[in-house]
Amino acid sequence: GESVGLHLPTLSVQEGDNSIINCAYSNSASDYFIWYKQESGKGPQFIIDIRSNMDKRQGQRVTVLLNKTVKHLSLQIAATQPGDSAVYFCAENQGNAGNMLTFGGGTRLMVKP
Amino acid sequence: DAGITQSPRHKVTETGTPVTLRCHQTENHRYMYWYRQDPGHGLRLIHYSYGVKDTDKGEVSDGYSVSRSKTEDFLLTLESATSSQTSVYFCAIREDRVSGYTFGSGTRLTVV
Repeated sequence: GESVGLHLPTLSVQEGDNSIINCAYSNSASDYFIWYKQESGKGPQFIIDIRSNMDKRQGQRVTVLLNKTVKHLSLQIAATQPGDSAVYFCAENQGNAGNMLTFGGGTRLMVKP
Repeated sequence: DAGITQSPRHKVTETGTPVTLRCHQTENHRYMYWYRQDPGHGLRLIHYSYGVKDTDKGEVSDGYSVSRSKTEDFLLTLESATSSQTSVYFCAIREDRVSGYTFGSGTRLTVV
């Protein structure tokens, strides 16, 4: 598959451990945030989202935390599995004219069996 | 991906030739986007559309044009392909400003 990024920050975790992936966003006026997962050779897939009026949201094995004070977003993956190995992107909605999302550079998660 | 398809999935073309990539959606979403993804650059917006015949430029629009004559189709054209346009191209659709994108599976374009 294609190489998503040759120089991405990489997080390496042991299978079964919890993973935390961090993201700093740029615009204090952003009102909606999303985490995407991208596996090799595939398009990014939606994982979880959060609106700016919340500071935490949980899904199945994933939790997103939002700290608006420091413009920080994190994705927590519980009991990480080999299938979680991928590149993870955060995205923010800045409320621009085209309703475009602005993407972070991505973090590569590698899960060791 | 559900509701959005890109074609072709892979293409090799020669420098100087025109190329058109197609994005087709069955979700009736208003917003459609074309991105390119390159190592070290992440996802970069080429063009977007906010309705039929309503399009605008993104951050890397030089050398690209788009058309949207129907809600379901968003075409990206490279007028005269160059080697710097070798990339993976993703189309995305969005329902509204408080929903995420749904991405297509991508088109891998190689310009030789």
